[in-house]
Amino acid sequence: EDQVTQSPEALRLQEGESSSLNCSYTVSGLRGLFWYRQDPGKGPEFLFTLYSAGEEKEKERLKATLTKKESFLHITAPKPEDSATYLCAVQADSGGYQKVTFGTGTKLQVIP
Amino acid sequence: SQTIHQWPATLVQPVGSPLSLECTVEGTSNPNLYWYRQAAGRGLQLLFYSVGIGQISSEVPQNLSASRPQDRQFILSSKKLLLSDSGFYLCAWRGDRVNQPQHFGDGTRLSIL
Repeated sequence: EDQVTQSPEALRLQEGESSSLNCSYTVSGLRGLFWYRQDPGKGPEFLFTLYSAGEEKEKERLKATLTKKESFLHITAPKPEDSATYLCAVQADSGGYQKVTFGTGTKLQVIP
Repeated sequence: SQTIHQWPATLVQPVGSPLSLECTVEGTSNPNLYWYRQAAGRGLQLLFYSVGIGQISSEVPQNLSASRPQDRQFILSSKKLLLSDSGFYLCAWRGDRVNQPQHFGDGTRLSIL
């Protein structure tokens, strides 16, 4: 069974204090790994797709990287507006259907 | 550009009442459509997905059903709500090309009293 584990569950940073969020996964036939940002009471907002080990994507203060077993979301010099829950999801082949499995997320709080 | 609309944003219903949540997508054709439920501290649970009009697959047997009467319309229904149906319901769409991400609506917070 496909599994996605995110750590830590919660992270509190001072403004400007860089850190990384982890997403480890166990799937067969990875087709893509996705990162989302979710604000309270809202649906997840798509950030990045990574398809193969070694791939990196950047957007403003966020950079996502991928290895064969995990992905990292690096946050450089975060600001309070980066506070949100970050979700990781993997898409894999499952009996002719591409199934997506989500992690439970990391709740990030950036303090001014 | 593509947009997804979900309504209502919040809903309070008594136990045993019916339910209808609607989701529509604009700016794309033949999307894959999904209904998820998100519980606090838990990952998104896939309830139903659809690859075309009238084609519905259920991931978890339960008190809910889904229908897709039009290409870009997805409806989540129940004849009689249970207390356990409370939660945050999300609709998502994905293009029909493989390996694309899903895009979510803003969800419906459903409270059962």
